[in-house]
Amino acid sequence: AQKVTQAQTEISVVEKEDVTLDCVYETRDTTYYLFWYKQPPSGELVFLIRRNSFDEQNEISGRYSWNFQKSTSSFNFTITASQVVDSAVYFCALESYSSASKIIFGSGTRLSIRP
Amino acid sequence: EAGVVQSPRYKIIEKKQPVAFWCNPISGHNTLYWYLQNLGQGPELLIRYENEEAVDDSQLPKDRFSAERLKGVDSTLKIQPAELGDSAVYLCASSFGGSGGYEQYFGPGTRLTVT
Repeated sequence: AQKVTQAQTEISVVEKEDVTLDCVYETRDTTYYLFWYKQPPSGELVFLIRRNSFDEQNEISGRYSWNFQKSTSSFNFTITASQVVDSAVYFCALESYSSASKIIFGSGTRLSIRP
Repeated sequence: EAGVVQSPRYKIIEKKQPVAFWCNPISGHNTLYWYLQNLGQGPELLIRYENEEAVDDSQLPKDRFSAERLKGVDSTLKIQPAELGDSAVYLCASSFGGSGGYEQYFGPGTRLTVT
């Protein structure tokens, strides 16, 4: 069975602090994809990043970075020098090859950045 | 480029009444998804279309929910009759491909309140 766990329900930090959002996944498949989506107050989920199971390279995009570790089944997301505009709910998601494109979302982490 | 369009944005109905939601995906996207999102939870897939074909409707409560995607473009999701527990946000998403880690583009959702 596939499962995504985001243990942090809510995080609140002061602007300019660094913050890491945790994501732990479970799957028996060797081929799978991991995603992060952002859901701002407007409601539309916005795609941030995709990683396939064969690519464990970490990625940095501006203030955002992602750490993919198959050994611990984790795909964590770090925001450096957080800004108020980063306030949103962030979802980690898993698509296993055998599930034929059925994405399983975690329950999300609500991130609040205080000015 | 226009994003995924959904209407209405909000709907309030009494229980046992019917309700319908409409979605227009991004042009050229042949895969369309309907999700249900409860408060504080991640989206849960209801149905996935590849062009006109419903390729995954295993999570759709078929006794009261129905969906169609005529001509492989717009889609309608219907609930008849609605129950109190159907109160949620209904999200539509589309993607270029159906499997293989394609990013999904989400609409703003329809917030349904059943009284």
